[in-house]
Amino acid sequence: KQEVTQIPAALSVPEGENLVLNCSFTDSAIYNLQWFRQDPGKGLTSLLLIQSSQREQTSGRLNASLDKSSGRSTLYIAASQPGDSATYLCAVRQSGTSYGKLTFGQGTILTVHP
Amino acid sequence: DTEVTQTPKHLVMGMTNKKSLKCEQHMGHRAMYWYKQKAKKPPELMFVYSYEKLSINESVPSRFSPECPNSSLLNLHLHALQPEDSALYLCASSPLGIGKRGIQYFGAGTRLSVL
Repeated sequence: KQEVTQIPAALSVPEGENLVLNCSFTDSAIYNLQWFRQDPGKGLTSLLLIQSSQREQTSGRLNASLDKSSGRSTLYIAASQPGDSATYLCAVRQSGTSYGKLTFGQGTILTVHP
Repeated sequence: DTEVTQTPKHLVMGMTNKKSLKCEQHMGHRAMYWYKQKAKKPPELMFVYSYEKLSINESVPSRFSPECPNSSLLNLHLHALQPEDSALYLCASSPLGIGKRGIQYFGAGTRLSVL
Protein backbone atom coordinates (compact mmCIF):
# COMPACT_ATOMS: atom_id res chain seq x y z
CA LYS A 1 0.00 0.00 0.00
CA GLN A 2 1.36 3.39 -1.04
CA GLU A 3 2.07 5.83 1.76
CA VAL A 4 2.95 9.48 1.18
CA THR A 5 4.63 11.63 3.82
CA GLN A 6 5.19 15.37 3.73
CA ILE A 7 7.73 17.21 5.84
CA PRO A 8 7.47 19.65 7.52
CA ALA A 9 3.83 19.62 8.62
CA ALA A 10 3.92 23.40 8.99
CA LEU A 11 6.34 26.13 8.00
CA SER A 12 6.41 29.83 8.79
CA VAL A 13 8.85 32.09 6.95
CA PRO A 14 9.37 35.79 6.35
CA GLU A 15 8.56 37.20 2.94
CA GLY A 16 11.34 36.84 0.38
CA GLU A 17 12.80 33.57 1.62
CA ASN A 18 13.41 30.60 -0.63
CA LEU A 19 11.95 27.42 0.77
CA VAL A 20 11.72 23.68 0.15
CA LEU A 21 8.80 21.36 0.85
CA ASN A 22 9.47 17.63 0.96
CA CYS A 23 7.38 14.65 -0.10
CA SER A 24 8.32 10.99 0.16
CA PHE A 25 6.49 7.87 -0.99
CA THR A 26 6.99 4.21 -0.20
CA ASP A 27 6.22 2.54 -3.55
CA SER A 28 8.40 3.81 -6.40
CA ALA A 29 6.16 2.26 -9.11
CA ILE A 30 4.36 5.51 -9.79
CA TYR A 31 2.76 6.90 -12.96
CA ASN A 32 3.20 10.54 -11.97
CA LEU A 33 3.36 12.93 -9.02
CA GLN A 34 1.35 16.10 -8.71
CA TRP A 35 1.75 19.09 -6.38
CA PHE A 36 -1.38 21.01 -5.36
CA ARG A 37 -2.17 24.12 -3.40
CA GLN A 38 -5.28 24.42 -1.23
CA ASP A 39 -6.55 27.61 0.38
CA PRO A 40 -8.72 27.22 3.51
CA GLY A 41 -12.16 25.79 2.70
CA LYS A 42 -11.42 25.75 -1.03
CA GLY A 43 -10.70 23.18 -3.71
CA LEU A 44 -7.28 22.12 -4.92
CA THR A 45 -5.27 24.00 -7.51
CA SER A 46 -2.78 21.97 -9.54
CA LEU A 47 0.69 23.52 -9.45
CA LEU A 48 2.97 21.05 -11.18
CA LEU A 49 2.82 17.50 -12.49
CA ILE A 50 5.92 15.36 -13.00
CA GLN A 51 5.70 12.19 -15.05
CA SER A 52 7.63 9.18 -13.75
CA SER A 53 10.20 9.58 -16.56
CA GLN A 54 10.90 13.23 -15.71
CA ARG A 55 13.30 14.70 -13.16
CA GLU A 56 11.81 18.16 -12.70
CA GLN A 57 9.19 20.67 -13.76
CA THR A 58 9.20 24.44 -13.43
CA SER A 59 6.46 27.04 -13.41
CA GLY A 60 7.35 30.61 -12.52
CA ARG A 61 8.79 30.69 -9.00
CA LEU A 62 8.02 27.01 -8.47
CA ASN A 63 10.30 24.09 -9.23
CA ALA A 64 9.44 20.48 -8.47
CA SER A 65 11.92 17.63 -8.64
CA LEU A 66 11.39 13.88 -8.61
CA ASP A 67 13.77 11.08 -7.63
CA LYS A 68 11.64 8.04 -8.25
CA SER A 69 14.19 5.46 -7.19
CA SER A 70 14.56 7.00 -3.74
CA GLY A 71 10.85 7.82 -3.47
CA ARG A 72 11.26 11.57 -3.03
CA SER A 73 10.01 14.81 -4.48
CA THR A 74 10.70 18.40 -3.47
CA LEU A 75 8.83 21.60 -4.22
CA TYR A 76 11.06 24.66 -4.27
CA ILE A 77 9.44 28.08 -3.91
CA ALA A 78 11.64 31.05 -4.72
CA ALA A 79 11.23 34.51 -3.22
CA SER A 80 8.16 33.60 -1.17
CA GLN A 81 5.25 36.05 -0.89
CA PRO A 82 2.36 36.37 1.60
CA GLY A 83 0.04 35.20 -1.20
CA ASP A 84 1.86 31.87 -1.19
CA SER A 85 0.36 31.09 2.22
CA ALA A 86 -1.73 27.92 1.82
CA THR A 87 -1.59 24.16 2.36
CA TYR A 88 0.59 22.35 -0.16
CA LEU A 89 -0.25 18.75 -0.98
CA CYS A 90 1.68 16.21 -2.99
CA ALA A 91 -0.09 13.22 -4.53
CA VAL A 92 1.17 10.18 -6.39
CA ARG A 93 -0.63 8.08 -8.95
CA GLN A 94 0.33 4.43 -9.21
CA SER A 95 1.43 2.91 -12.49
CA GLY A 96 -1.17 1.18 -14.60
CA THR A 97 -3.68 3.78 -15.69
CA SER A 98 -3.72 7.51 -16.21
CA TYR A 99 -6.93 7.77 -14.19
CA GLY A 100 -5.78 5.70 -11.25
CA LYS A 101 -6.09 6.59 -7.62
CA LEU A 102 -4.18 9.56 -6.27
CA THR A 103 -2.66 9.01 -2.84
CA PHE A 104 -2.16 12.28 -0.99
CA GLY A 105 0.27 13.30 1.70
CA GLN A 106 -1.01 15.09 4.81
CA GLY A 107 0.14 18.43 3.47
CA THR A 108 2.45 21.24 4.56
CA ILE A 109 0.79 24.36 5.94
CA LEU A 110 2.84 27.32 4.72
CA THR A 111 2.60 30.79 6.25
CA VAL A 112 4.59 33.62 4.68
CA HIS A 113 4.50 36.73 6.83
CA PRO A 114 5.26 40.25 5.60
CA ASP B 1 -11.34 26.95 -19.71
CA THR B 2 -9.94 24.78 -16.92
CA GLU B 3 -12.96 25.02 -14.68
CA VAL B 4 -14.77 22.31 -12.76
CA THR B 5 -18.04 23.67 -11.38
CA GLN B 6 -19.67 22.18 -8.29
CA THR B 7 -23.12 22.98 -6.95
CA PRO B 8 -24.29 23.70 -4.38
CA LYS B 9 -21.39 25.34 -2.51
CA HIS B 10 -22.97 24.56 0.85
CA LEU B 11 -25.57 21.96 1.85
CA VAL B 12 -27.22 21.22 5.16
CA MET B 13 -29.32 18.07 5.36
CA GLY B 14 -30.99 15.88 7.91
CA MET B 15 -30.28 12.19 8.22
CA THR B 16 -33.56 11.27 6.50
CA ASN B 17 -33.15 13.62 3.55
CA LYS B 18 -32.23 12.81 -0.02
CA LYS B 19 -30.02 15.30 -1.82
CA SER B 20 -27.65 15.40 -4.78
CA LEU B 21 -24.33 17.06 -5.48
CA LYS B 22 -23.57 18.13 -9.03
CA CYS B 23 -20.28 18.52 -10.88
CA GLU B 24 -19.79 19.82 -14.40
CA GLN B 25 -16.81 20.32 -16.70
CA HIS B 26 -16.52 21.32 -20.34
CA MET B 27 -12.88 20.52 -20.94
CA GLY B 28 -13.62 17.26 -22.76
CA HIS B 29 -12.16 15.23 -19.90
CA ARG B 30 -13.32 11.61 -19.87
CA ALA B 31 -12.25 10.78 -16.29
CA MET B 32 -14.18 12.25 -13.37
CA TYR B 33 -13.69 11.74 -9.65
CA TRP B 34 -15.39 12.24 -6.30
CA TYR B 35 -13.28 12.85 -3.19
CA LYS B 36 -14.21 13.38 0.45
CA GLN B 37 -12.11 15.68 2.62
CA LYS B 38 -12.44 16.01 6.38
CA ALA B 39 -11.05 19.03 8.20
CA LYS B 40 -7.25 19.19 8.28
CA LYS B 41 -6.98 15.91 6.34
CA PRO B 42 -6.04 15.22 2.72
CA PRO B 43 -8.72 14.27 0.19
CA GLU B 44 -9.76 10.62 0.07
CA LEU B 45 -10.87 9.07 -3.20
CA MET B 46 -14.46 7.79 -3.34
CA PHE B 47 -15.24 7.04 -7.00
CA VAL B 48 -13.68 7.26 -10.45
CA TYR B 49 -15.56 7.28 -13.74
CA SER B 50 -13.74 6.73 -17.01
CA TYR B 51 -15.66 7.09 -20.28
CA GLU B 52 -18.85 7.44 -18.22
CA LYS B 53 -18.39 4.03 -16.60
CA LEU B 54 -17.64 3.46 -12.92
CA SER B 55 -14.03 2.29 -12.80
CA ILE B 56 -13.11 2.60 -9.13
CA ASN B 57 -15.28 2.41 -6.02
CA GLU B 58 -13.20 2.74 -2.87
CA SER B 59 -15.60 0.64 -0.78
CA VAL B 60 -17.88 3.60 -0.22
CA PRO B 61 -21.13 2.97 1.74
CA SER B 62 -24.23 2.58 -0.40
CA ARG B 63 -25.78 5.73 1.05
CA PHE B 64 -23.51 7.48 -1.49
CA SER B 65 -24.60 6.74 -5.05
CA PRO B 66 -22.64 8.21 -7.98
CA GLU B 67 -24.01 8.79 -11.45
CA CYS B 68 -22.37 9.94 -14.68
CA PRO B 69 -25.19 10.73 -17.14
CA ASN B 70 -22.88 12.15 -19.81
CA SER B 71 -19.25 13.06 -20.39
CA SER B 72 -19.62 16.53 -18.83
CA LEU B 73 -21.69 15.79 -15.77
CA LEU B 74 -21.13 13.85 -12.56
CA ASN B 75 -23.64 13.54 -9.73
CA LEU B 76 -23.42 12.19 -6.21
CA HIS B 77 -26.76 11.16 -4.73
CA LEU B 78 -26.98 11.20 -0.95
CA HIS B 79 -29.48 9.30 1.18
CA ALA B 80 -29.71 8.51 4.90
CA LEU B 81 -26.37 10.11 5.69
CA GLN B 82 -24.77 10.15 9.12
CA PRO B 83 -23.31 13.17 10.95
CA GLU B 84 -19.81 11.73 10.37
CA ASP B 85 -20.39 12.17 6.62
CA SER B 86 -20.11 15.93 7.11
CA ALA B 87 -17.13 17.02 5.02
CA LEU B 88 -15.99 18.92 1.94
CA TYR B 89 -16.86 16.90 -1.18
CA LEU B 90 -14.57 17.57 -4.09
CA CYS B 91 -15.06 16.72 -7.73
CA ALA B 92 -12.16 16.47 -10.18
CA SER B 93 -11.63 15.65 -13.83
CA SER B 94 -8.68 14.68 -16.00
CA PRO B 95 -8.07 13.91 -19.67
CA LEU B 96 -7.72 10.34 -20.90
CA GLY B 97 -5.89 8.97 -23.91
CA ILE B 98 -2.41 8.27 -25.23
CA GLY B 99 -0.05 11.09 -24.44
CA LYS B 100 -2.37 12.71 -21.91
CA ARG B 101 -0.55 13.65 -18.74
CA GLY B 102 -3.44 12.99 -16.41
CA ILE B 103 -3.44 16.33 -14.59
CA GLN B 104 -6.43 16.44 -12.28
CA TYR B 105 -8.44 19.65 -12.08
CA PHE B 106 -10.52 20.16 -8.98
CA GLY B 107 -13.72 22.05 -8.29
CA ALA B 108 -14.17 24.32 -5.29
CA GLY B 109 -16.14 21.67 -3.45
CA THR B 110 -19.48 21.33 -1.67
CA ARG B 111 -19.39 21.84 2.09
CA LEU B 112 -21.86 19.27 3.47
CA SER B 113 -23.25 19.33 7.00
CA VAL B 114 -25.43 16.42 8.18
CA LEU B 115 -27.56 17.18 11.23
